[in-house]
Amino acid sequence: GAVVSQHPSWVICKSGTSVKIECRSLDFQATTMFWYRQFPKQSLMLMATSNEGSKATYEQGVEKDKFLINHASLTLSTLTVTSAHPEDSSFYICSARRTVTNEKLFFGSGTQLSVL
Amino acid sequence: KNEVEQSPQNLTAQEGEFITINCSYSVGISALHWLQQHPGGGIVSLFMLSSGKKKHGRLIATINIQEKHSSLHITASHPRDSAVYICAVSIRGSNYKLTFGKGTLLTVNP
Repeated sequence: GAVVSQHPSWVICKSGTSVKIECRSLDFQATTMFWYRQFPKQSLMLMATSNEGSKATYEQGVEKDKFLINHASLTLSTLTVTSAHPEDSSFYICSARRTVTNEKLFFGSGTQLSVL
Repeated sequence: KNEVEQSPQNLTAQEGEFITINCSYSVGISALHWLQQHPGGGIVSLFMLSSGKKKHGRLIATINIQEKHSSLHITASHPRDSAVYICAVSIRGSNYKLTFGKGTLLTVNP
């Protein structure tokens, strides 16, 4: 089946540094990828929609200058948390959609970010 | 009020029991998804439904579009089924963007 690889699985960083998270579709082309965030014991929240070759679409309340998304190829999208703060500590997960219609999404394994 | 409501929030069962998790939504949708999230956080998509019923192994998902309601059933539950089950909907016209329920924590005891 289709596989989405997300890296790293967890990261600890100092406040003020930037962290990049990668999401790769390993055996299919993903024209659209989605980035979500999940705080402990809360539901997933969509942060942004990443479209290959164009600017990402951010959900209301998500700062596009803080959460930089790049979708430079059909198999790779990256999320960079810039100038991270402790309140950015969260679980980040991506999903990818194949170009085939009416098909379920495929999720990465997630990244646990802890900002000290 | 959340657009996607799940019940129950927590469910404990004995191995072998039949389990039902419910999901109601209040918006027009193009599809409804059932997801499984394990303690490590990874998510597996179990079903995507736009009508009727789907079955995969011991899992069955149904949807009633008129009543805006879906159920996920697990037959002959097993401890390895223990996970958070999440209902999510693709709102009509939103290009696969998902709105999530809060999840149901299922614990199946041996």
